[in-house]
Amino acid sequence: EPEVTQTPSHQVTQMGQEVILRCVPISNHLYFYWYRQILGQKVEFLVSFYNNEISEKSEIFDDQFSVERPDGSNFTLKIRSTKLEDSAMYFCASIMGLTGSPLHFGNGTRLTVT
Amino acid sequence: AQTVTQSQPEMSVQEAETVTLSCTYDTSENNYYLFWYKQPPSRQMILVIRQEAYKQQNATENRFSVNFQKAAKSFSLKISDSQLGDTAMYFCAFMDSNYQLIWGAGTKLIIKP
Repeated sequence: EPEVTQTPSHQVTQMGQEVILRCVPISNHLYFYWYRQILGQKVEFLVSFYNNEISEKSEIFDDQFSVERPDGSNFTLKIRSTKLEDSAMYFCASIMGLTGSPLHFGNGTRLTVT
Repeated sequence: AQTVTQSQPEMSVQEAETVTLSCTYDTSENNYYLFWYKQPPSRQMILVIRQEAYKQQNATENRFSVNFQKAAKSFSLKISDSQLGDTAMYFCAFMDSNYQLIWGAGTKLIIKP
């Protein structure tokens, strides 16, 4: 069964550095998402992407965040200048877009900002 | 605003017992979808079961079943014959017509041997 792939599985970075989290959604899916989950807490929506543009974003997704789909397969989340509070698990998800189809999640990238 | 509430932060049961996790939601939409996701210690997010709001029949997947009460906006998950591998966080989620998922806070389920 096709799956969503995320790399790296774990990223450690210093505060103020830029990080890029990478995702390869399922090939025939149309909607893409980034979520984050601070350890032990709720899953938080960051951004959704459809038709090569952001369709919705949360208050968390400020100017420090950006998303791109550079080549039709990868879907990246960039954090320009990381803060300690960006430490979290970041999940990519995709959905075909047919009514009722579930989101398929990648295994996540654990980001640690020191 | 659409919300999802899971009122049980943590539950624990003995192996082989049946356990029910509760979930309520609030929406003004009539057509929507509800999901239960499982997050084991590995922190993967795994779909357990889904329910279409327009279907009256409760969804079932092997040992997992739901009790969907649309009028009450309730969507509980029943796990029968619980196994040690069922130990995980369980998240209830609501999908709106724009394919946005609204998440509950999660219930930590511990299955004791």
